[in-house]
Amino acid sequence: QITLKESGPTLVKPTQTLTLTCTFSGFSLSTSGVGVGWIRQPPGKALEWLALIYWNDDKRYSPSLKSRLTITKDTSKNQVVLTMTNMDPVDTATYYCARQIAVAVNNWFDPWGQGTLVTVSS
Amino acid sequence: QSVLTQPPSVSGAPGQRVTISCTGSSSNIGAGYDVHWYQQLPGTAPKLLIYGNSNRPSGVPDRFSGSKSGTSASLAITGLQAEDEADYYCQSYDSSLSGRYVFGTGTKVTVL
Repeated sequence: QITLKESGPTLVKPTQTLTLTCTFSGFSLSTSGVGVGWIRQPPGKALEWLALIYWNDDKRYSPSLKSRLTITKDTSKNQVVLTMTNMDPVDTATYYCARQIAVAVNNWFDPWGQGTLVTVSS
Repeated sequence: QSVLTQPPSVSGAPGQRVTISCTGSSSNIGAGYDVHWYQQLPGTAPKLLIYGNSNRPSGVPDRFSGSKSGTSASLAITGLQAEDEADYYCQSYDSSLSGRYVFGTGTKVTVL
């Protein structure tokens, strides 16, 4: 059974840096073709892809947020960490991590973690 | 922000058929990239419903079907059931701006 779970602060102040951890089980991020991504969803709004990291340490970022994002992996701990700098109230959202199997770029996200709500407020 | 456009809402009575469109452009769906669909029940995380345009993961009822043509894709739900009331999102890959994964604007399905 494959599971993913997000963890991190529920409240951050404007201008602070957010650090989220995705801890997963049931698969390995050292297996060829495997990736883990982050997707967020502001309250009542649509999903937005943020970042991806693959088994070979290839990293992809949303062009609109690239300057603020860093994604890393710790294969031994089965964890992926996302950092987002200079947080703003518009970044208030539920943040999800999800597994991706890389087949060229026609890739989908499955399964997803339960999500963690992050509120940005002073 | 979303580059894939979906109708905000669709509704139908139990047993009816509803369809949800996902309209993209020449840099995503029209470029040949696959479309995937997710179901998000209230208060829960998205769940993969259709992958590779028309494939159902194990456990997804065959009431759900997907198709793609040109710069658009569609999700059809036949024999609508109360438990199908949820938000639905399409997803694809977009080759613009150095490449990115993109989601649709989302559609709320209401069972009357």
